[in-house]
Amino acid sequence: SQQGEEDPQALSIQEGENATMNCSYKTSINNLQWYRQNSGRGLVHLILIRSNEREKHSGRLRVTLDTSKKSSSLLITASRAADTASYFCATVKGGSEKLVFGKGTKLTVNP
Amino acid sequence: GAVVSQHPSRVICKSGTSVKIECRSLDFQATTMFWYRQFPKKSLMLMATSNEGSKATYEQGVEKDKFLINHASLTLSTLTVTSAHPEDSSFYICSARGGGGASSYEQYFGPGTRLTVT
Repeated sequence: SQQGEEDPQALSIQEGENATMNCSYKTSINNLQWYRQNSGRGLVHLILIRSNEREKHSGRLRVTLDTSKKSSSLLITASRAADTASYFCATVKGGSEKLVFGKGTKLTVNP
Repeated sequence: GAVVSQHPSRVICKSGTSVKIECRSLDFQATTMFWYRQFPKKSLMLMATSNEGSKATYEQGVEKDKFLINHASLTLSTLTVTSAHPEDSSFYICSARGGGGASSYEQYFGPGTRLTVT
């Protein structure tokens, strides 16, 4: 079953603006990961945050995790047209190796 | 590093025929490979998990006799869609995971295979 739920489902912004996507999940997790997918292509791993971490940075990406609220956010700063893609969160339960994907947020960055 | 390839990238087949999709880890040994299915504008749904040398574990609702998975080596897994029907048309994506280490949770995804059954 799909555990992660992203919102918004679609987001359209101008180049240079920040984009924030949220993900909620239902059960306890070992870690949460964010992936990017360009249209009709495979997924690219962006960042992994463990359940005992609260925030992580990677370049223009900032991920937060609030296990008490069972939610995570992905912030992309100073967005570029090339950031246009769908972004998915995926959770891994403790003791499992499976990724459970959310429905994704389709981000469009207008030049 | 950590490149996963899929072949073919696109395939069109007639109803009733079988189609084989290959997933290869090019620069690492994949102890576990995963097969996903993605419908248009939807998320990925895990179909099955395969470990090298053992039978695949299928998710609930996935017919193992229809979607045959073989993980014969540490770098190759195949998914065969048998007696394909139009409703099997979808985007199939594989991923591979190496064994152990700090990044053992990370899965590396192939570029996907677009299957169209006519």
